[in-house]
Amino acid sequence: EVQLVESGGGLVQPGGSLRLPCAASGFTFSSYWMHWVRQAPGKGLVWVSRIKYDGTTTNYADSVKGRFTISRDSAKNTVYLEMNSLRAEDTAVYYCARGAMGFYYLDNWGQGTLVTVSS
Amino acid sequence: QSALTQPASVSGSPGQSIAISCTGTSSDVGAYNYVSWYQQHPGTAPKLMIYDVSNRPSEVSNRFSGSKSGNTASLTISGLQAEDEADYYCSSYTSSSTYVFGTGTKVTVL
Repeated sequence: EVQLVESGGGLVQPGGSLRLPCAASGFTFSSYWMHWVRQAPGKGLVWVSRIKYDGTTTNYADSVKGRFTISRDSAKNTVYLEMNSLRAEDTAVYYCARGAMGFYYLDNWGQGTLVTVSS
Repeated sequence: QSALTQPASVSGSPGQSIAISCTGTSSDVGAYNYVSWYQQHPGTAPKLMIYDVSNRPSEVSNRFSGSKSGNTASLTISGLQAEDEADYYCSSYTSSSTYVFGTGTKVTVL
């Protein structure tokens, strides 16, 4: 069974940093693109970033480019989202999701972790 | 990277059919047949319902179907049931190698 478990969320001050890990299990982690998607309270889904199965390619939404960094550790079956220069508008539940192999959709999602940016 | 446009809400009575539109541009919806749809119940993670415009995962009811014309994709739910009440989001791959989601549609079963 595919499992994606995010952690690392919490309260952080504006301008601060946070790193979100997402532990994957139940599939061959090194064969799949991995994504981060966020959802502000009461709002819609927003795609944030993705990383290729071998870590050689990353893409970002314009709203986080230059502030967020996605990475992965195949030895730990974990994908990370490093978030810097956080703003109030980054407050959201952050979901980790698996990209379907060879396709352009997200076939499995984690339960999400809440990040609150506030002083 | 503007969000795809969806109606804020759609409603229908049990047994009826409803359709949700998803309008993008020639750089996303119109550029590829890579439109997917997700269902989200309150407090839960999204669930894939349709991929590549009109393909349905095996575990999803055949009451759900998808289509596309030009820059607009659509999700149709036939034989509406109480458990279909949820938020629905479309998504598309873009020519910038990124993804974009729709604004979301709340489906209410009357």
